[in-house]
Amino acid sequence: DAGVTQSPTHLIKTRGQQVTLRCSPKSGHDTVSWYQQALGQGPQFIFQYYEEEERQRGNFPDRFSGHQFPNYSSELNVNALLLGDSALYLCASSLSWGGDEQYFGPGTRLTVT
Amino acid sequence: AQKVTQAQTEISVVEKEDVTLDCVYETRDTTYYLFWYKQPPSGELVFLIRRNSFDEQNEISGRYSWNFQKSTSSFNFTITASQVVDSAVYFCALTNDYKLSFGAGTTVTVRA
Repeated sequence: DAGVTQSPTHLIKTRGQQVTLRCSPKSGHDTVSWYQQALGQGPQFIFQYYEEEERQRGNFPDRFSGHQFPNYSSELNVNALLLGDSALYLCASSLSWGGDEQYFGPGTRLTVT
Repeated sequence: AQKVTQAQTEISVVEKEDVTLDCVYETRDTTYYLFWYKQPPSGELVFLIRRNSFDEQNEISGRYSWNFQKSTSSFNFTITASQVVDSAVYFCALTNDYKLSFGAGTTVTVRA
């Protein structure tokens, strides 16, 4: 049973560029959430996708957008990258009900120079 | 608004000592869920335990145990007889809907 997978593992981008991160949920899960974790801090919620729609969003600007596909996989897009966007981006999958535990992928380390 | 506070930044112990991690939370909701996650150096967050707000029974699972007290809004986590492999950052988290609100984490170092 495959867990949550993310790609790529590492990414280096330049300020102003755009980036797309990908996530495949754990088998049987239909909900995908994205988190940003800056160095030395706890993860911060970006948004959650369920039934191909954004169900809830955290305090992130519109430069952060996402998508969920019919097979429940998801993408996170960040436009006009800033140095402050450098972080570990974590994808988590879960069942649709609110109290279910979220299972995390290994993350994508994004460095913006 | 939800808030999770982990006052301990770092804890260092010698192998076989017990480690207790403190977590205090704030929420206005009556129904919510509390979690503990572990993040080893590899970076992947690993789910450890979940508790809902209606179940204050404290349990033990292997070397892990937790103490949930609604009266003080605390959800503490204990590792008994620590091992070097327990070295990681431990996060307490809270949800009442869909998003997880995490504390800042406590770095646990277990020395051989």
